Amino acid sequence: DQQVKQNSPSLSVQEGRISILNCDYTNSMFDYFLWYKKYPAEGPTFLISISSIKDKNEDGRFTVFLNKSAKHLSLHIVPSQPGDSAVYFCAASGGSYIPTFGRGTSLIVHP
Amino acid sequence: DTEVTQTPKHLVMGMTNKKSLKCEQHMGHRAMYWYKQKAKKPPELMFVYSYEKLSINESVPSRFSPECPNSSLLNLHLHALQPEDSALYLCASGRAAGIDYGYTFGSGTRLTVV
Repeated sequence: DQQVKQNSPSLSVQEGRISILNCDYTNSMFDYFLWYKKYPAEGPTFLISISSIKDKNEDGRFTVFLNKSAKHLSLHIVPSQPGDSAVYFCAASGGSYIPTFGRGTSLIVHP
Repeated sequence: DTEVTQTPKHLVMGMTNKKSLKCEQHMGHRAMYWYKQKAKKPPELMFVYSYEKLSINESVPSRFSPECPNSSLLNLHLHALQPEDSALYLCASGRAAGIDYGYTFGSGTRLTVV
């Protein structure tokens, strides 16, 4: 049973527009959430994180929103750039600090 | 140095071979991890070392044998692998007590077992 779900395997967005990647989780013990970005043939790269005590964290063009009651988080990229094209993994962790990953969403940003 | 370096980048081995994957970081991280990633799947945790001691072994077959000789190095010794073990093997490091920086992953070793 997947504890971290990314229900959209792919997303296509026009350059300059907003990209919204969604993630749902089932384990109420998760209290730390991360997004990773992965280019082909490379390992995942940490992008942005959020603690359960917050509902928003912003870093440049990237913003992560957390809705604890819905067990839902989302990553917003504004404006989207072609270089943002990659697979984005949502991950969550509880007390062990070991992340559980979602299956990923492949983002394609068209020029 | 903010990188995790993995060698080799590619490895082809027979089912009777013995080989090792290497991982190195110089960020002072005290937690190091081995993940296995199959195509189009998220990374699956295999082993966790915390302060050079094995703290988590996620029911990995004994044909995979991890070793942490010091705080900067992590090895994965391979012996008698099966073709289904072909995958991308990722090493990661992180702060042992907390994950406020996330993890730093290496680029991986793409292993093919023939």
